[in-house]
Amino acid sequence: QVQLQESGPGLVKPSETLSLTCTVSGGSISSFYWSWIRQPPGKGLEWIAYINYGGNTNYNPSLKSRVTISVDTSKNQFSLKLRSVTAADTAVYYCAREQWRFLFDYWGQGRLVSVSS
Amino acid sequence: QSVLTQPPSVSAAPGQKVTISCSGSSSNIGTNYVSWYQQLPGTAPKILIYDSNKRSSGIPDRFSGSKSDTSATLDITGLQTGDEAGYYCGAWDSRLNVWVFGGGTKLTVL
Repeated sequence: QVQLQESGPGLVKPSETLSLTCTVSGGSISSFYWSWIRQPPGKGLEWIAYINYGGNTNYNPSLKSRVTISVDTSKNQFSLKLRSVTAADTAVYYCAREQWRFLFDYWGQGRLVSVSS
Repeated sequence: QSVLTQPPSVSAAPGQKVTISCSGSSSNIGTNYVSWYQQLPGTAPKILIYDSNKRSSGIPDRFSGSKSDTSATLDITGLQTGDEAGYYCGAWDSRLNVWVFGGGTKLTVL
């Protein structure tokens, strides 16, 4: 059974960089696509970006200038960096396995990241 | 404002049926695969339906999906209190080049 687990700081100061890592277990990261999705408190889902094992990436244009997604196949992990954060970036951040442009079939439990001084 | 439009809330009594709509456009629902996700309170979303009408593994046949042109529908029959959750539709948007989701529908089982 594939499992995903997000890790990283739960509190980030405004203007700094949010960094999260997703560790994949029960399956290899060297197949499928891997996405980050976020959900502000009480609001809906927003897709951030995807990556595959070969480093092929796609970003949400609304966040593209501030986001970098990367993959480390040796550790079965992929990561998210979001620069210059503001309070509007406060959200639960989920990592998910994506069947390319088809569906998200496995999700992490989510990591609440608050942006506050 | 979400690209896909869902009603904010629906409600029905236990044992009844509820329908949740998801309206989009030719660049998302009209040409790409629709999936539905259930989000129980305090948990991550879980895949219910994919390719508009296929149930994910372990999902009971009380849940069904359909698609017509640029709209999709999730039907839930024989409602149970455990079905109280948020429900989201999603699809790839070929014009925007992003995944888009509906704003979510909160189901209350009265």
